[in-house]
Amino acid sequence: DAKTTQPTSMDCAEGRAANLPCNHSTISGNEYVYWYRQIHSQGPQYIIHGLKNNETNEMASLIITEDRKSSTLILPHATLRDTAVYYCIVRRRYNNNDMRFGAGTRLTVKP
Amino acid sequence: GAVVSQHPSWVICKSGTSVKIECRSLDFQATTMFWYRQFPKQSLMLMATSNEGSKATYEQGVEKDKFLINHASLTLSTLTVTSAHPEDSSFYICSAASGDYGYTFGSGTRLTVV
Repeated sequence: DAKTTQPTSMDCAEGRAANLPCNHSTISGNEYVYWYRQIHSQGPQYIIHGLKNNETNEMASLIITEDRKSSTLILPHATLRDTAVYYCIVRRRYNNNDMRFGAGTRLTVKP
Repeated sequence: GAVVSQHPSWVICKSGTSVKIECRSLDFQATTMFWYRQFPKQSLMLMATSNEGSKATYEQGVEKDKFLINHASLTLSTLTVTSAHPEDSSFYICSAASGDYGYTFGSGTRLTVV
């Protein structure tokens, strides 16, 4: 699976959009971009995934650049409950191989 | 959506004793499950891959005799920490492949060895 690079930490004001970047310059054509988050002392939670088109669900939007070498997770109206560590992971879909985590981005939403 | 149940949520045990952690896929079958360990302020570290009906595959540096994994059915995998020591105190998390969502994770088990 391709490696990813994320900023160590970010702050965001409550009610504003949080934009979390991820670089994955070595991504392969059959690899998807997955985003998970981990709230303190809980298991990781799936947020969204995509291949090359932008995706949106009830939690977030995922913007993938045309060359697929980077992506941005957007939380449109961040709340205090969105404070968590966000992990960007690149891997093939429908693959039972292991999922490995990088350091992620610690997002702090401030009042 | 897919749900993975992990029990117990937290456990305190004495040094030298063994502790068993269960991971169940509630509404889907999981031929493969994964066990992670997480120390404070660190990311998840993969410990082992658990395959139904066969021996688990351990990551380098993880002692297979200390961390016993059993995946006896398509919905249950267990991790037993044998002869626990204080340095085994950690947050243990399981996950299972769940189709479109990649993996679904359990809520984790906080193990404290005293």
